[in-house]
Amino acid sequence: AQKITQTQPGMFVQEKEAVTLDCTYDTSDQSYGLFWYKQPSSGEMIFLIYQGSYDEQNATEGRYSLNFQKARKSANLVISASQLGDSAMYFCAMSPSGGSYIPTFGRGTSLIVHP
Amino acid sequence: DSGVTQTPKHLITATGQRVTLRCSPRSGDLSVYWYQQSLDQGLQFLIQYYNGEERAKGNILERFSAQQFPDLHSELNLSSLELGDSALYFCASSMAGVNTEAFFGQGTRLTVV
Repeated sequence: AQKITQTQPGMFVQEKEAVTLDCTYDTSDQSYGLFWYKQPSSGEMIFLIYQGSYDEQNATEGRYSLNFQKARKSANLVISASQLGDSAMYFCAMSPSGGSYIPTFGRGTSLIVHP
Repeated sequence: DSGVTQTPKHLITATGQRVTLRCSPRSGDLSVYWYQQSLDQGLQFLIQYYNGEERAKGNILERFSAQQFPDLHSELNLSSLELGDSALYFCASSMAGVNTEAFFGQGTRLTVV
């Protein structure tokens, strides 16, 4: 069974600063994918970034980067140059490679960006 | 726009009633997942379909059922509704046989009164 832990229920950051959202995971699978999603107040789930467990480089997508530390089983999301529109819930998820690929989600972190 | 379409966006119904939520996956995606999001339970996986066949079941109540049709759209049927079924229901789709991201629809917000 897989488990995703997001220990920060809420985070605050000043506009234009960087912020790190923590995510740790537990799995016995050797091959898996890690994902981050953003859920603004409007409710939709927006895919942000993906990291494969065998990828040697940390994934980056614009202002988003994933700090992947496999030995520590952590997959933290770093948002650089925060914007007011980044205020949202952020969910970390993982799915095993092989089988049904069902994503398992953490409980989320609420991020508020202050002007 | 994720390419996943869910209808309706909002639904208000009375206890004891039955509703059907509809999902059209992204073009080419064979796998469809249904999730329930409530404040106290977070995002809970309900059920997965792959190319018309049920692939995996999660925390889905017996009062709930789903199916995927030959054109790959999926429906989630919720019956004998209770107040506690009020939640945001998401459909997501992904490519078959590849561990890539799942793309989510905008969700159906169900309110049972």
